[in-house]
Amino acid sequence: EPEVTQTPSHQVTQMGQEVILRCVPISNHLYFYWYRQILGQKVEFLVSFYNNEISEKSEIFDDQFSVERPDGSNFTLKIRSTKLEDSAMYFCASSVGQPAPNQPQHFGDGTRLSIL
Amino acid sequence: SQKIEQNSEALNIQEGKTATLTCNYTNYSPAYLQWYRQDPGRGPVFLLLIRENEKEKRKERLKVTFDTTLKQSLFHITASQPADSATYLCALRNSGNTPLVFGKGTRLSVIA
Repeated sequence: EPEVTQTPSHQVTQMGQEVILRCVPISNHLYFYWYRQILGQKVEFLVSFYNNEISEKSEIFDDQFSVERPDGSNFTLKIRSTKLEDSAMYFCASSVGQPAPNQPQHFGDGTRLSIL
Repeated sequence: SQKIEQNSEALNIQEGKTATLTCNYTNYSPAYLQWYRQDPGRGPVFLLLIRENEKEKRKERLKVTFDTTLKQSLFHITASQPADSATYLCALRNSGNTPLVFGKGTRLSVIA
């Protein structure tokens, strides 16, 4: 079964540094998402992306964050100047077809981001 | 404001019994409710979706019900097995491309 893949599985970065998290969504999917999960807390929506532009973003997704689909397969999340509170698990997800609310989202296994 | 509550943080049951998990919500209409399973260190895995105008959905040993009067969904796992031990997440969205919002999850432990 096709799956969403994320790299790296664990990223350790010094505070203030830029970090790029990478995702390869399922190939025929058109909608892409980033979520984060701080340890012990719930999965939180960051941003959705369709047709090469952001569809929705949450309050968490401030100017320090950006997303890009640099080619036909990758989807990236960049954090420009990391803060300690950015430490979390970051999940990429994708869904097929229209943004109908009955479309399940397929998640990758995440990148654990640790800010020192 | 919109809220999703999974009121049990953890649930322990004996193997073979039916596990029932609860998800309550406010201010979602129309509501589309999804259940996901999350294992430690892994991403959520989609299980079932139920729409506001549906009362019940089934998939193998899983059953989801939706009561729009109570604004509640129940998620049942029948004949539970130790392999069903995981955190189960309830998630809601309204329509179109509105974000999927997750509850905190219920950690289910099935004891052999």
